[in-house]
Amino acid sequence: GAGVSQSPSNKVTEKGKDVELRCDPISGHTALYWYRQSLGQGLEFLIYFQGNSAPDKSGLPSDRFSAERTGGSVSTLTIQRTQQEDSAVYLCASSLEFWGRNGYTFGSGTRLTVV
Amino acid sequence: GQQLNQSPQSMFIQEGEDVSMNCTSSSIFNTWLWYKQDPGEGPVLLIALYKAGELTSNGRLTAQFGITRKDSFLNISASIPSDVGIYFCAGQIQGAQKLVFGQGTRLTINP
Repeated sequence: GAGVSQSPSNKVTEKGKDVELRCDPISGHTALYWYRQSLGQGLEFLIYFQGNSAPDKSGLPSDRFSAERTGGSVSTLTIQRTQQEDSAVYLCASSLEFWGRNGYTFGSGTRLTVV
Repeated sequence: GQQLNQSPQSMFIQEGEDVSMNCTSSSIFNTWLWYKQDPGEGPVLLIALYKAGELTSNGRLTAQFGITRKDSFLNISASIPSDVGIYFCAGQIQGAQKLVFGQGTRLTINP
């Protein structure tokens, strides 16, 4: 597509439930990134996929968080047993080059609220 | 840990004023990027810098890649209401495989 597409745009879930957030990157972009942005805060790196290489999971805050990227395109970020502190905007980005020399293109994010 | 120090964290200015913000690091960068984030949206790339000393403009925005390769600044001249938002610096540290982001500067403009 023309841009990075994320769904849903908003998600309200009960504490303890699992959620899945989807990212559809720009066609042809080999690198895909997930970031988390808490209210009024900066961008917290979560995970990075580059082609067929093993993902960089160094930013995942706990083992409740996982992500996969199927067929080198669509990615799903899964949060199990959600907690209130998981409430944030989850941003996905993609880039043509492996380290994004021309910057990342971000989606509009998924706003997750855990009640 | 935090590898980029962006300042100021927030700015409250009058319409028409000029704005300046900067990012510094103890690491050497190969690339500096500046993004703007509007409410409810993802960050959008404003300016990209690739060489030490490079000065680049995009309309009323001007950014520079510091000579030491450890800092960058962004200036906005004659601010207008649509400049409101959060501005992020980002950069590629030499030898790293992904960008690091600053904590953002929240710009508020009083009409």
